[in-house]
Amino acid sequence: AAGVIQSPRHLIKEKRETATLKCYPIPRHDTVYWYQQGPGQDPQFLISFYEKMQSDKGSIPDRFSAQQFSDYHSELNMSSLELGDSALYFCASSLGRDAPYEQYFGPGTRLTVT
Amino acid sequence: AQSVAQPEDQVNVAEGNPLTVKCTYSVSGNPYLFWYVQYPNRGLQFLLKYITGDNLVKGSYGFEAEFNKSQTSFHLKKPSALVSDSALYFCAVRDNNNDMRFGAGTRLTVKP
Repeated sequence: AAGVIQSPRHLIKEKRETATLKCYPIPRHDTVYWYQQGPGQDPQFLISFYEKMQSDKGSIPDRFSAQQFSDYHSELNMSSLELGDSALYFCASSLGRDAPYEQYFGPGTRLTVT
Repeated sequence: AQSVAQPEDQVNVAEGNPLTVKCTYSVSGNPYLFWYVQYPNRGLQFLLKYITGDNLVKGSYGFEAEFNKSQTSFHLKKPSALVSDSALYFCAVRDNNNDMRFGAGTRLTVKP
């Protein structure tokens, strides 16, 4: 079965650069979530989109922005990168936004800021 | 706010023995609880969920979890552990805003 696709899988950037992470949800899934997992930490919710509109906002820095496009894929844009942004960034998708629906996670993008 | 806690950083079991990974929750209203597994350099994989109904929930790879309202627990269990079960396990709860809040994770090591 098709899963959530994230690209790139690995990304190395320097401080103050920008990065764009892409997420392609499971076909027919209309909700996308972004999470950040620091080294040895649990995933932290950043932001979510439902039907191309921002649904919820978590601990996403102002330097980051995201959007969901008409084909339901989503992009996380990160500017003025800091060393502390080095982490694994997960995208998840679900069919529907409401609580009972489980989220399916992509493999993650490992961002390293040097 | 909804939250979950995993009291054990690490659990070690011998192959073939039963395993339990603990999770307690704190929610207002009905809890929506989940277990995910994370293998090295991989994304989180959904194992099972509790919404309503039977307190014993069966999931993928032979795992099950028991919802205990009086103890506010949702422990993950498997009758007979495999070496390939070694991974990081996260308990999670759906927040009021529908995003997922994860526990700190428990590293399970199954030794041959």
